[in-house]
Amino acid sequence: DVKVTQSSRYLVKRTGEKVFLECVQDMDHENMFWYRQDPGLGLRLIYFSYDVKMKEKGDIPEGYSVSREKKERFSLILESASTNQTSMYLCASSPSWGYGEKLFFGSGTQLSVL
Amino acid sequence: SQQGEEDPQALSIQEGENATMNCSYKTSINNLQWYRQNSGRGLVHLILIRSNEREKHSGRLRVTLDTSKKSSSLLITASRAADTASYFCATDANKSGGSYIPTFGRGTSLIVHP
Repeated sequence: DVKVTQSSRYLVKRTGEKVFLECVQDMDHENMFWYRQDPGLGLRLIYFSYDVKMKEKGDIPEGYSVSREKKERFSLILESASTNQTSMYLCASSPSWGYGEKLFFGSGTQLSVL
Repeated sequence: SQQGEEDPQALSIQEGENATMNCSYKTSINNLQWYRQNSGRGLVHLILIRSNEREKHSGRLRVTLDTSKKSSSLLITASRAADTASYFCATDANKSGGSYIPTFGRGTSLIVHP
């Protein structure tokens, strides 16, 4: 089975800190995604990457950046954390061929910014 | 931007009953997927239905797709307490860099009482 691993299950940071959320997948998938999930808003796409060093903005990229230096690893960076970035962050990966390939999700990181 | 919207937002039933949840979307799709999320965890893929399919089964799950109405339904038969979770539909209307980007709705929260 595909495994998508997020480095932290729970994270508490202070306003203004630089925060790194790490995600690693072990199935050689081309695509990787970062979503945030908030009550009543569902999942919203922050950034995605379809290849090493390639990235594209999703629906809510403001305040975030990403890095993909290796195929298996996709990092989400909060340059200066703010309280409105308190959320559940979900990483996902999928193969690239064709369309309609399912996403494999990590367990999520619940980030609290105080 | 939300492409799919689930209905109802919340559903509470007794064990053994059937649960039906619906998903409506706005633009033409190639496929539609349903995911499940247990509380505080990542999403797990349940089933994918392509735009040229009308119905699909997987165990106790039955998914229908009506492209003329831009809607899909997920039926869980003979529900169990373990089916308690949130259910999301995802559509792939957007395409970027050669890959289709799944867009999620806000989800239906299902509670199955033992």
